[in-house]
Amino acid sequence: GESVGLHLPTLSVQEGDNSIINCAYSNSASDYFIWYKQESGKGPQFIIDIRSNMDKRQGQRVTVLLNKTVKHLSLQIAATQPGDSAVYFCAELNTGNQFYFGTGTSLTVIP
Amino acid sequence: DTGVSQDPRHKITKRGQNVTFRCDPISEHNRLYWYRQTLGQGPEFLTYFQNEAQLEKSRLLSDRFSAERPKGSFSTLEIQRTEQGDSAMYLCASQRLVLGELFFGEGSRLTVL
Repeated sequence: GESVGLHLPTLSVQEGDNSIINCAYSNSASDYFIWYKQESGKGPQFIIDIRSNMDKRQGQRVTVLLNKTVKHLSLQIAATQPGDSAVYFCAELNTGNQFYFGTGTSLTVIP
Repeated sequence: DTGVSQDPRHKITKRGQNVTFRCDPISEHNRLYWYRQTLGQGPEFLTYFQNEAQLEKSRLLSDRFSAERPKGSFSTLEIQRTEQGDSAMYLCASQRLVLGELFFGEGSRLTVL
């Protein structure tokens, strides 16, 4: 079955540095991916998405990279701020039109 | 605020009791999802609706769980004869397009004593 996993469960960065969060997926047929941010006690919040016909997409301070060859997804956050501290999930849309979520990476920004 | 509302936000119940959660999605969204999330884990798919039709249920969903979306608007998730293992955050999300983001509510946290 499909699985979406994250390489690192926790990440600590200094304020102002760039953050990179990685995600591996197993279903090569998946064609849509989303990164979500979840703060404690809240529901997941959309950050950025990418279709499989793209390998890079940029938003405000965030960039998602998709490497279909190795089935790898990453989220880059530029100039990380304390408000970026949260758990980040990648989600994969499978062939059954369901989103599968990874375990998540906890990002801590050190002031 | 995503526009998806869930009620109640918190529910504490005793084992064996029934509980019901309600989700009001964004009004123009046809698709509605239920997910369950336990501490330290990502959301786990439970079921989803296209309008009032329940199109898929996770095979992990026991018979004690039932969901409805009678008029294609709000949805309810009922858990009968709750067990301690049901303690989790129950998240609802709505979606306008198949290839579009899920808009999540703030969740309903269930604690079964």
